[in-house]
Amino acid sequence: QQKVQQSPESLIVPEGAMTSLNCTFSDSASQYFAWYRQHSGKAPKALMSIFSNGEKEEGRFTIHLNKASLHFSLHIRDSQPSDSALYLCAVNSGTYQRFGTGTKLQVVP
Amino acid sequence: GALVYQYPRRTICKSGTSMRMECQAVGFQATSVAWYRQSPQKTFELIALSTVNSAIKYEQNFTQEKFPISHPNLSFSSMTVLNAYLEDRGLYLCGAREGTANERLFFGHGTKLSVL
Repeated sequence: QQKVQQSPESLIVPEGAMTSLNCTFSDSASQYFAWYRQHSGKAPKALMSIFSNGEKEEGRFTIHLNKASLHFSLHIRDSQPSDSALYLCAVNSGTYQRFGTGTKLQVVP
Repeated sequence: GALVYQYPRRTICKSGTSMRMECQAVGFQATSVAWYRQSPQKTFELIALSTVNSAIKYEQNFTQEKFPISHPNLSFSSMTVLNAYLEDRGLYLCGAREGTANERLFFGHGTKLSVL
């Protein structure tokens, strides 16, 4: 069964800093890799996804995928207080999307 | 846009009783609905995946006898927690998608279950 793990568990960064979140997975046949963001009391919402090795940038957010090392990451440039939330990585395993336990990010002014 | 409404938002039930939660998809066809539980310890467990016109697939440690799911059409799904006990506490989330596994899920706000 696919195992998805995230690090760190929590993170506090100052406003304007670069934030890096990590996700590892166990199934090398996985084909879809995504990051979701869940603000307190709200539904998780998809942020970005990637299918193949490499990098994808959307605004301040960049996702990196390295299938050989079973690792992908999310980088947030110029972090803002509004970025404070629980970040969940998701990996497909057959027809299922499995999630990590999340990284709680707090951006302090 | 695509939205998923989930209700109730919160529920409290006595130990050994049951409760039902529902999800309504608006703006897209919910071909597949996945039910997850986010525990107080923050694990995010997949309970089951329901696809219209296919059998519901339950994850290890979750059964139809405990978590029966109904997915009668492309806009509605429900799940019941039967005989709820303390270990069933958590935030239950439905995530729906229109197409394949390689597409984003649209989540409801979740149903927070407390058990007395």
